[in-house]
Amino acid sequence: QKEVEQNSGPLSVPEGAIASLNCTYSDRGSQSFFWYRQYSGKSPELIMSIYSNGDKEDGRFTAQLNKASQYVSLLIRDSQPSDSATYLCAVNKNTGNQFYFGTGTSLTVIP
Amino acid sequence: KAGVTQTPRYLIKTRGQQVTLSCSPISGHRSVSWYQQTPGQGLQFLFEYFSETQRNKGNFPGRFSGRQFSNSRSEMNVSTLELGDSALYLCASSLFGTTSQSRNNEQFFGPGTRLTVL
Repeated sequence: QKEVEQNSGPLSVPEGAIASLNCTYSDRGSQSFFWYRQYSGKSPELIMSIYSNGDKEDGRFTAQLNKASQYVSLLIRDSQPSDSATYLCAVNKNTGNQFYFGTGTSLTVIP
Repeated sequence: KAGVTQTPRYLIKTRGQQVTLSCSPISGHRSVSWYQQTPGQGLQFLFEYFSETQRNKGNFPGRFSGRQFSNSRSEMNVSTLELGDSALYLCASSLFGTTSQSRNNEQFFGPGTRLTVL
């Protein structure tokens, strides 16, 4: 079983729609959760970090964490073509000794 | 504040050679982690350094090594290069590293070094 799992996609949404990206993790004791955006040929860029159950909003981005169900999601409202990228979910396990990354979900926003 | 910098950005080596990559973290950050990214395996953790000490190590052979200096700059070395070592090597810095469970463990990535082994 992988530490962090994401649907690889590709996920396509029309411009202006809501994009929903999901991630599940295996270690129930995990405490820190992150979403990164990676454009083709570039390095990952931190979008959001979330540490408590519930929602955390930052501009057009909302991260949702449900520790009981062991999933974390990212919603992108009013999607723009510039949001087209691969989105990586990362989890810091309870032991806190390293970050585990999912393989990423490819998102395409269609103008 | 300047971001994470990595040098060189691109490298071409042949099998059997060795290579050294450098990473300068964000000012004030004491933790540096290294990752290998390939299309097939995604982001794989190599090791983490904090205050010149290797705190954690991933499942990579001993050919992969690293160190951290007193100014938090870090280097990683790969000896006896193999074709499969071709990858994007990323370093990420954070204030206190992965053992913190707060915003102090947010990691920020450098632009990466693209290594091609022929």
